[in-house]
Parts: sequence; structure tokens; C-alpha cells
Amino acid sequence: QITLKESGPTLVRPTQTLTLTCTFSGFSLTTSGVGVAWIRQPPGKALEWLALIYWDDDKRYRPSLESRLAITRDTSKNQVVLTMTNVDPVDTATYYCAHSSYDFSTGEIWFDPWGQGTLVTVSS
Amino acid sequence: SYVLTQPPSVSVSPGQTATITCSGDKLRNQYATWYQQKPGQSPVLVIYQDTKRPSGIPERFSGSNSGNTATLTISGTQTLDEGDYYCQAWDSTSRLVFGGGTKLTVL
Repeated sequence: QITLKESGPTLVRPTQTLTLTCTFSGFSLTTSGVGVAWIRQPPGKALEWLALIYWDDDKRYRPSLESRLAITRDTSKNQVVLTMTNVDPVDTATYYCAHSSYDFSTGEIWFDPWGQGTLVTVSS
Repeated sequence: SYVLTQPPSVSVSPGQTATITCSGDKLRNQYATWYQQKPGQSPVLVIYQDTKRPSGIPERFSGSNSGNTATLTISGTQTLDEGDYYCQAWDSTSRLVFGGGTKLTVL
């Protein structure tokens, strides 16, 4: 059974750096085709993909946020960490991590399952 | 940037068929994925690669993709199917994109 759980601060001040950790079990992030993604959802709004790290340590970012994001992994701890610099109140959202699968023949990626999410509020 | 467009809301009576669309000008060359999100819960994968259903997802959920529009169809809709539905696609330049979501009401 695959499970993921997000952890991190619930309140962050504007201009600070947000660090979130995704701790997972039930799979290995070194298995071909496997990845972990971060997705966020502002209150009452739609899902927004942020970043993805692949089994081979390749990384992809949302183009509009790429300069502020960094995704890393610690395979020995089964953890993926997302850092977001210079946060703003518009970054207030529930942040989810999710197991991703990559289909080599089609290039498609999908997320299943998702973690429970963690609400991060950016406010002074 | 690439945009996937969904209707904000869809209403259906119990037992009827619900149809939720997702439009994008690159969808003819992409696969569509669909997620269901119930209030206060995390999203759940219901359809991937346009038409495939993960284990545990009822057969009443089906998907299709034709032209620039992907469609999620729920046959014999039940009240427990209420929630928000999001389409998703992967674009090599814009990376991964979600639609704006559709609120399904069963009444």
C-alpha cells in the first residue's frame, strides 16, 4: 500500500522560505517510471501543479514558479522536499504530494495516490 | 501558457448520466487524466490515459478524448459522486496542467 504524508510549517511570514517534506512508504523512488509531485490548492480554488522529481533524479517545475522552487529527494529516508523562496500571501494553499507514474510509451504522467495535504498560510 | 477549460458546474439527477468536458487546443495530441475531489478530501484518480480506470473505481466512470475535448462520463450517477472533478494533461513546454475544475451536483 502506497502512502504519502506532507509535513511542514502551518504559518510562514512573507519573504521567508517555505520548506515542505513528503514522507512516503510502499514504493521506491529509484524504481523506473516512478516519481513524486507537489501540487497545491489555494482555498476554494483549483489544483496547481508545482514540481515533479523522477526516479532518475530528473526534475520538472511549473514554469511561472521555477525560479522560486527546488525539489530534492532523500532515497534513504523515503522523503521528498520542496522549498519555495520569497513566499507571498498568494502562496497560501493546501500543499499535496502525490505518487506519480510515467508511461514510457505515451509520455503521460498521472498521480495516484495523494497525501492528505497540509495547509500553509502566508501572513505577517 | 497552456489552458484546460472545464465548465464550472454540472448538475444531474440521480441515476442519470453526467458529462464533464475538458477543452484544450493540444488535447488532440495528449492524454487526459481525471481526478475526483470530495469536500475536505484529497483528490482521487478516476481516469488516466483518456479511458483507463484504476482498480477500485466503479465501472460507471468512463473517459474519452476526441479532437480538442476530453470527456468524463458518469453513468447512473449517484449522490456519492458529488464533488469537484479536475482534468489534467502533460505538455512538454508548459509542463503539467490542471483544468479549472467542475463542481458536480447530484439532485
